[in-house]
Amino acid sequence: KAGVTQTPRYLIKTRGQQVTLSCSPISGHRSVSWYQQTPGQGLQFLFEYFSETQRNKGNFPGRFSGRQFSNSRSEMNVSTLELGDSALYLCASSLGSGGRADTQYFGPGTRLTVL
Amino acid sequence: KQEVTQIPAALSVPEGENLVLNCSFTDSAIYNLQWFRQDPGKGLTSLLLIQSSQREQTSGRLNASLDKSSGRSTLYIAASQPGDSATYLCAVGLIGSSNTGKLIFGQGTTLQVKP
Repeated sequence: KAGVTQTPRYLIKTRGQQVTLSCSPISGHRSVSWYQQTPGQGLQFLFEYFSETQRNKGNFPGRFSGRQFSNSRSEMNVSTLELGDSALYLCASSLGSGGRADTQYFGPGTRLTVL
Repeated sequence: KQEVTQIPAALSVPEGENLVLNCSFTDSAIYNLQWFRQDPGKGLTSLLLIQSSQREQTSGRLNASLDKSSGRSTLYIAASQPGDSATYLCAVGLIGSSNTGKLIFGQGTTLQVKP
């Protein structure tokens, strides 16, 4: 079974631009969660989508948004990029059943650099 | 607010040594706890998931325990190898519909196993 894939793997943008990142979950998984990882803050939860609906959202400004398609693929968008948005963005997929054994499987991440 | 702490932040051991990584959390109302491994610049690899009703899980040379009452988990690595060198992260899943798909991560323990 193929794992979680993320595209692109690397991105370089300038301040003020916007960016879209893509995540394809493991086949059969309906939940996709997004995280931001930085050296200072570690891994922080951005949001989670299940069946095309955002079920949960972390404490990030409205510049961070996402969506999920009917095939469970998900995208996240960051508008008006700031230097502090430079980070590794990770997505994780799970069955989304909410059960105690609902393991999250992570993709390789997208490294975003904002200049 | 749930906080997850991992001690030590870094650890260096000679090959063959048995070692213990520690994780503590402030709120015992967790759904599950996961241990992950992260290699530099890469995504997260799930190692073990312990459900809230379980006390431990084992996979090969790895054994993870969970004590909800004291808010602690340990990851035991037997007979360490240079290939075990990585950052180890623990994360808790929280109870409640407002916490679906969300993991709270510790800052990680960076392990170096010297040949």
